[in-house]
Amino acid sequence: DTGVSQDPRHKITKRGQNVTFRCDPISEHNRLYWYRQTLGQGPEFLTYFQNEAQLEKSRLLSDRFSAERPKGSFSTLEIQRTEQGDSAMYLCASSSRGTGYNEQFFGPGTRLTVL
Amino acid sequence: TQLLEQSPQFLSIQEGENLTVYCNSSSVFSSLQWYRQEPGEGPVLLVTVVTGGEVKKLKRLTFQFGDARKDSSLHITAAQPGDTGLYLCAGRGASGSRLTFGEGTQLTVNP
Repeated sequence: DTGVSQDPRHKITKRGQNVTFRCDPISEHNRLYWYRQTLGQGPEFLTYFQNEAQLEKSRLLSDRFSAERPKGSFSTLEIQRTEQGDSAMYLCASSSRGTGYNEQFFGPGTRLTVL
Repeated sequence: TQLLEQSPQFLSIQEGENLTVYCNSSSVFSSLQWYRQEPGEGPVLLVTVVTGGEVKKLKRLTFQFGDARKDSSLHITAAQPGDTGLYLCAGRGASGSRLTFGEGTQLTVNP
């Protein structure tokens, strides 16, 4: 399967702990995006990378959140000092220049529950 | 801030019925995508429309992009239980790369 993969699929943590999620995009997709989705809502944009450069960050991305894409391939999203309000599905997507970056393909998501 | 409003929010119909889901905005989008999402999974891309007035068909699904590229619709003919899911529209602005999503339409097709 050459789709977007995310790990872990589920994460349960206690308030105040740090968590890190990983995303592997579709091969040769040079743009990678992170979104957050809460129950009953559509996904909300967090940040995106073109290759290893982080080009845009949403105001939703507080200073407790950090994302990296060190070699322009996989990406990690870290949340420090988690809060109950961080409980959500964290989605990763990737796109390529071939489609004008219009088409974003999503991974299965990481469901975070903060107790 | 670009916003997308979807309607209806919930739709429950019988197998064989037709339905239309609407996605409206006051903003112009360079492209608009429709996704379908199952519980606990990521959204799956159904179609991308780029040109104002464009119509695309995917089996029993017909997608239309408004002439002004501010709105879109999804029409399903003869719905089947397998069509059940959360349908999301998402627009990409001219100056950015992010997608702005609507809140989704939860469709249930009863056998």
